[in-house]
Amino acid sequence: DTEVTQTPKHLVMGMTNKKSLKCEQHMGHRAMYWYKQKAKKPPELMFVYSYEKLSINESVPSRFSPECPNSSLLNLHLHALQPEDSALYLCASSRRGAGGIGETQYFGPGTRLLVL
Amino acid sequence: GQQVMQIPQYQHVQEGEDFTTYCNSSTTLSNIQWYKQRPGGHPVFLIQLVKSGEVKKQKRLTFQFGEAKKNSSLHITATQTTDVGTYFCAGSTGTASKLTFGTGTRLQVTL
Repeated sequence: DTEVTQTPKHLVMGMTNKKSLKCEQHMGHRAMYWYKQKAKKPPELMFVYSYEKLSINESVPSRFSPECPNSSLLNLHLHALQPEDSALYLCASSRRGAGGIGETQYFGPGTRLLVL
Repeated sequence: GQQVMQIPQYQHVQEGEDFTTYCNSSTTLSNIQWYKQRPGGHPVFLIQLVKSGEVKKQKRLTFQFGEAKKNSSLHITATQTTDVGTYFCAGSTGTASKLTFGTGTRLQVTL
């Protein structure tokens, strides 16, 4: 099973709402990632969790709050977002995520977020 | 910070023509990966190159890593409509888990 699943597929939220994006993988991977992708742009790294610990935070605003409850799950909690935060949010996982040569990242289908 | 540029931004070819996208990094890379993203889809891993001057082939796709490990290319021979999508290179330097994606090349193939 090389699948990363993400829910919901689509999300519309107001600027005062609180919502969460969920990501799950059962490949035994120990690194999980959140990326943000705007239309016709490359994915931009937001956060990296390695062995359930936050290892990289790319200076993301605090209105985005990641959480890794266990090695299979990754959440992204959203609060007081702005319209410019509308984008495709991609989750990915890789085998180890720490040290050595770069690893293949397996991406989920993404959540398309619209902030009104 | 590290920047990875790709050219061209967009290419439209007739089916059967060849296609090449070029990837250039502002810094020396420890490895480079290539991903394909279909319209409305998510990035899917194609290949990883690690060694200076490395060339790898996958059927009609040929990938090359430059001698200085700062550039790479993807060449598709005899394109098919199934090749449509955006091709991203992605490189990493010291911190292996952090990939910086290139700007992408969108390929359109028509009959």
